[in-house]
Amino acid sequence: KNEVEQSPQNLTAQEGEFITINCSYSVGISALHWLQQHPGGGIVSLFMLSSGKKKHGRLIATINIQEKHSSLHITASHPRDSAVYICAVGRGGADGLTFGKGTHLIIQP
Amino acid sequence: ETGVTQSPTHLIKTRGQQVTLRCSSQSGHNTVSWYQQALGQGPQFIFQYYREEKNGRGNFPPRFSGLQFPNYSSELNVNALELDDSALYLCASSLYGHNEQFFGPGTRLTVL
Repeated sequence: KNEVEQSPQNLTAQEGEFITINCSYSVGISALHWLQQHPGGGIVSLFMLSSGKKKHGRLIATINIQEKHSSLHITASHPRDSAVYICAVGRGGADGLTFGKGTHLIIQP
Repeated sequence: ETGVTQSPTHLIKTRGQQVTLRCSSQSGHNTVSWYQQALGQGPQFIFQYYREEKNGRGNFPPRFSGLQFPNYSSELNVNALELDDSALYLCASSLYGHNEQFFGPGTRLTVL
């Protein structure tokens, strides 16, 4: 079993829909990251969370430390939101990040 | 503020060859982490360098080695290339002790 599990693996939705991507992890963490990766490979950091909730524009990220679970929400989705969204956890120190496999999101106009 | 850069962008090698990938960290960052991302998978941690010393290592064989220079830029070297080494190689820079990492655009390595 992977230390970081994401669901769904693939998601296709219509423009304007509310999107939720889930992430569960099985290890103690110092922070959880939500990242966006477009075709071509570049990774952009969206959020870094250690507790509670963060909002940036149409994106909202929440984390429940006790349940080892995080969600990324996209409100009023748009075709430009189409990308792979990756959850990653950091345990601090020199261990690097541990990544989920990603959720491939397609927003159709 | 200069972001993280990587070179080359793409590279094609044959089995058994050696390759060197380069990463320049973001201005002010002293730590570089390297990751391998196979097609359809999430990135996997290779190792991390801090102040020119290897600070942590993932589950990769000794064929994968690295360096960090006094200006905090870094190299990833892979010897005796295998077909399964074909992947996107990402570096990320950070300030030691801080969780946030900033990723470069990656180098796509194809081994034939």
